[in-house]
Amino acid sequence: QKEVEQDPGPLSVPEGAIVSLNCTYSNSAFQYFMWYRQYSRKGPELLMYTYSSGNKEDGRFTAQVDKSSKYISLFIRDSQPSDSATYLCAMNVRDNYGQNFVFGPGTRLSVLP
Amino acid sequence: DAGITQSPRHKVTETGTPVTLRCHQTENHRYMYWYRQDPGHGLRLIHYSYGVKDTDKGEVSDGYSVSRSKTEDFLLTLESATSSQTSVYFCALKRGDGYYEQYFGPGTRLTVT
Repeated sequence: QKEVEQDPGPLSVPEGAIVSLNCTYSNSAFQYFMWYRQYSRKGPELLMYTYSSGNKEDGRFTAQVDKSSKYISLFIRDSQPSDSATYLCAMNVRDNYGQNFVFGPGTRLSVLP
Repeated sequence: DAGITQSPRHKVTETGTPVTLRCHQTENHRYMYWYRQDPGHGLRLIHYSYGVKDTDKGEVSDGYSVSRSKTEDFLLTLESATSSQTSVYFCALKRGDGYYEQYFGPGTRLTVT
């Protein structure tokens, strides 16, 4: 079993839909959770990060973390064609060097106009 | 934008030749990373640095070396390129102790023929 699992997609939704992207993990030492958006042939762009369980909202994006279930989600409201990208979840333990940063394999999202 | 640039952005080279990729940052951060991204494997850590002349190996370091003689530059060298090193290479940085998210550069697309 991989340390971080993510629905591979691809996921296609109509414009305006609510999108739910999910990751599960097995290592209970993970304490910090990130979501990245990666457009084709570009570098991953940090979208949201959270250091605690619960919800964090930023505009149309909401990150949700449930450490007891080892489950994180990213919700996109009122999805737009410009949201079409691959979304990577990432997580880290409490260390300063950052060498234990782990990524999910990514979910490719297409938002159709 | 964490002020990261990578050069070259694209390179085609022949098997057996040495190749050096450069990552440059403008914000004087201590921690820098080199990843490779491949279909089916996601992002994997090659090497990382926690200061000038301080580097260590990541998950997939065989065939790669790094150097950091200045805070702003982190170099990745493929000592003798092989076709299995055809990949997209990303540099990343972390803002410092107490921060756990990483910021990525635009990537270098390397093809070894």
